[in-house]
Amino acid sequence: GDSVTQMEGPVTLSEEAFLTINCTYTATGYPSLFWYVQYPGEGLQLLLKATKADDKGSNKGFEATYRKETTSFHLEKGSVQVSDSAVYFCALKMGTYKYIFGTGTRLKVLA
Amino acid sequence: NAGVTQTPKFQVLKTGQSMTLQCAQDMNHNSMYWYRQDPGMGLRLIYYSASEGTTDKGEVPNGYNVSRLNKREFSLRLESAAPSQTSVYFCASSYQAQETQYFGPGTRLLVL
Repeated sequence: GDSVTQMEGPVTLSEEAFLTINCTYTATGYPSLFWYVQYPGEGLQLLLKATKADDKGSNKGFEATYRKETTSFHLEKGSVQVSDSAVYFCALKMGTYKYIFGTGTRLKVLA
Repeated sequence: NAGVTQTPKFQVLKTGQSMTLQCAQDMNHNSMYWYRQDPGMGLRLIYYSASEGTTDKGEVPNGYNVSRLNKREFSLRLESAAPSQTSVYFCASSYQAQETQYFGPGTRLLVL
């Protein structure tokens, strides 16, 4: 069945370091792909999305490219800040209602 | 504009007790959703409501009931709680089913 696999955390980085959080997926069709972020004490917020192969989603300095050939949607940021500390969820969407979420990756950025 | 709100934030139940988790949104969204999140797993859809007056089962509906009280409110009821229902529950909403979902902060439920 459809699934999302993302790297286990926690990921601990120093401020201004480069971030990569890996996400790969398995899907029978052509899903849309998402990254959501959850800050402490808050709900999940959409960070970025891509709806077709080779699309690049970007927001707040984060980027991810929909790679159909490697079934991946890795999240990257060139220079992380302490305020980026959060849990990041990769997800795919098939059809109208069916979201499949990854298990989440906790990022901790140290000053 | 509060977005999606959930009550309570935290609850402890004994096995067999019942309770209702409340969710409300003030964004005039048509669709609403209930998810659960368990350790080591992603969010899984319990029930959803495409529009006021309709509800449908998601991936893990057993042991739950829902009510779409009006356009703003979507409640989740556990009639007889079980330890397997210990989880974090998230409510979400979207303007239309195919659009971006907005999430509440979650309710942490512990069933002893």
